[in-house]
Amino acid sequence: QSALTQPASVSGSPGQSITISCTGTSSDVGGYNYVSWYQQHPGKAPKLMIYDVSNRPSGVSNRFSGSKSGNTASLTISGLQAEDEADYYCSSYTSSSTPFGGGTKLTVL
Amino acid sequence: QVQLVQSGAEVKKPGASVKVSCKASGYTFTSYGISWVRQAPGQGLEWMGWISAYNGNTNYAQKLQGRVTMTTDTSTSTAYMELRSLRSDDTAVYYCARGVYPFDYWGQGTLVTVSS
Repeated sequence: QSALTQPASVSGSPGQSITISCTGTSSDVGGYNYVSWYQQHPGKAPKLMIYDVSNRPSGVSNRFSGSKSGNTASLTISGLQAEDEADYYCSSYTSSSTPFGGGTKLTVL
Repeated sequence: QVQLVQSGAEVKKPGASVKVSCKASGYTFTSYGISWVRQAPGQGLEWMGWISAYNGNTNYAQKLQGRVTMTTDTSTSTAYMELRSLRSDDTAVYYCARGVYPFDYWGQGTLVTVSS
């Protein structure tokens, strides 16, 4: 059982927006602004998409955005494209560990 | 450009040990930690721990304490992860990643299969 809770799946049509939630506790998500999001295509290594709740690394599309409210962080993908279909994982850094969420499979219809 | 290149796939028997390497290039090795993350077949990501390439400090996931050791060789910019007393549920792809947080560059992954 993962320390952070994500929906198992979400879906959307091309051009639409979707949001993936990541719920933790006051000891991880709620206690630090150290939430990151990773995209993983089948058979590939994960790729960093968002860090520090809402910052994008260089080269990541601005269609990807992050936010946090209380113990829940969210990843929003706007203008869905076929290549966005992948698994997405949240992670929350703490002084003792860096748990991941269980992952969310995004299907672009 | 930053690259992390991992060693090849391994097949081990239950009770054995495995040591996976991760050779870094394209940045100053001692300026970042190296984290290890594994992924069992069809499952999600599991954080295993990290090592500081600067001073060798480590932080391991509680469930792996006593079975895992992470080390670095700064002369070759290589990080190592050794897992002992292997069980069938240790079968997974093992990834190294740059940084303690966030994980901004990843290795290609090393499949470790534990089977009798």
